[in-house]
Order: sequence, then structure tokens, then C-alpha cells
Amino acid sequence: RKEVEQDPGPFNVPEGATVAFNCTYSNSASQSFFWYRQDCRKEPKLLMSVYSSGNEDGRFTAQLNRASQYISLLIRDSKLSDSATYLCAAPYNFNKFYFGSGTKLNVKP
Amino acid sequence: DAGITQSPRYKITETGRQVTLMCHQTWSHSYMFWYRQDLGHGLRLIYYSAAADITDKGEVPDGYVVSRSKTENFPLTLESATRSQTSVYFCASQGINTEAFFGQGTRLTVV
Repeated sequence: RKEVEQDPGPFNVPEGATVAFNCTYSNSASQSFFWYRQDCRKEPKLLMSVYSSGNEDGRFTAQLNRASQYISLLIRDSKLSDSATYLCAAPYNFNKFYFGSGTKLNVKP
Repeated sequence: DAGITQSPRYKITETGRQVTLMCHQTWSHSYMFWYRQDLGHGLRLIYYSAAADITDKGEVPDGYVVSRSKTENFPLTLESATRSQTSVYFCASQGINTEAFFGQGTRLTVV
């Protein structure tokens, strides 16, 4: 089993839609998690951190479910510019991060 | 300029040759990482380093060697390149209580 797993998608949604991705992790001792955004195989850039129950930043909400060992990313009011691949990261041990394979989002007009 | 830089950005090499990918960061971050990214696999950790002279294997270390004699540099060497090592390689650095910052990547093609 991979340390971090994501649905690869693609998720094809219209502008204005709400879309959610999940990411499961295997290490129950993990404390911090991250969502990164990656455009066209450029370098990943941090979108959000998740340290406890959740985090919200504008249209983006990240939540952590420790019992089921998954984190989620919710995007409200999707924009064309949100089209990208979203990667989640979880620590295997302190600061040794494994990434999921990424979920591709296509927002269409 | 502060940041993390990788070189070269693009490299074509022949099977069996040794090739070294360079990574340099100016933040004095303790942690540095090498990932490879292939279609359908996302980012896979090759090696990471917690500090100068401390390195450890990740998910896919076979065929790679790293060193970290200085905090700011973390070179990745392919000892005898194979076609299966054709990939995009990302270096990243991370400080205490910061997120990981990624370099722009090196596109390596082994022919």
C-alpha cells in the first residue's frame, strides 16, 4: 500500500462549482499535512497546511479526519485558474514527506 | 537572490553515463529532498537529508547517490544512467516549521 493515495481524476467541473478531493495516508502518527498545487509539471507550490482539524483560506478549505486517516480539500466557486494538479503530502516520519500521485482538476467555462 | 535553484534545467545523457544534478538553497534550511516525477506516479522521494552529512533513503533510492557536505548543496548522482531514470527531478528544501520549497526541476532524458 502506498503511503499517500489520491484519486488521480481528472475532475472536470464547470466554473462556479464546488469540488472536493480526498487523500488517504497510512502513517497514523502523522501530525501535519499539506496540499500543494502544481501547474503543467512546474514545481509544486504550497496551497494549504493542515495541522489539526482543518484550515480555511478564502475559497479553499482543508480538513483532517484522523479516525479515517484522510485529508480533504474543498474548493468553492471554482475558477478557470484553479485548473491544476493538486498534490497532498504527509510525513512518513518527521520531515520526511511522501506525496500522493496528484488529482487533476479541469475547470471549464 | 534567495531561493532554491537546480541545474541543469535540461539534460540529455546516454545510458551508462554518470550524471550529477545540482541543487542549491540560500535559506540555510536543514532539510533537503530529491523527488522524481513520472506520469501516473506523482512525486516519489528518492533521498532526503536532515542536515549536512546526514542522508537517508526514500521510496526509490536504487541507482542514485547523494551527498551533503555543505548545508546549502545537495547533489544527486546517477551512477550509471538507465532509460528508466528518464524523469523530471525536483529538489526541495524545508526549514523548521516551514513548508517545503521546490526548485524548478531538471528534465533528464536518458537515451
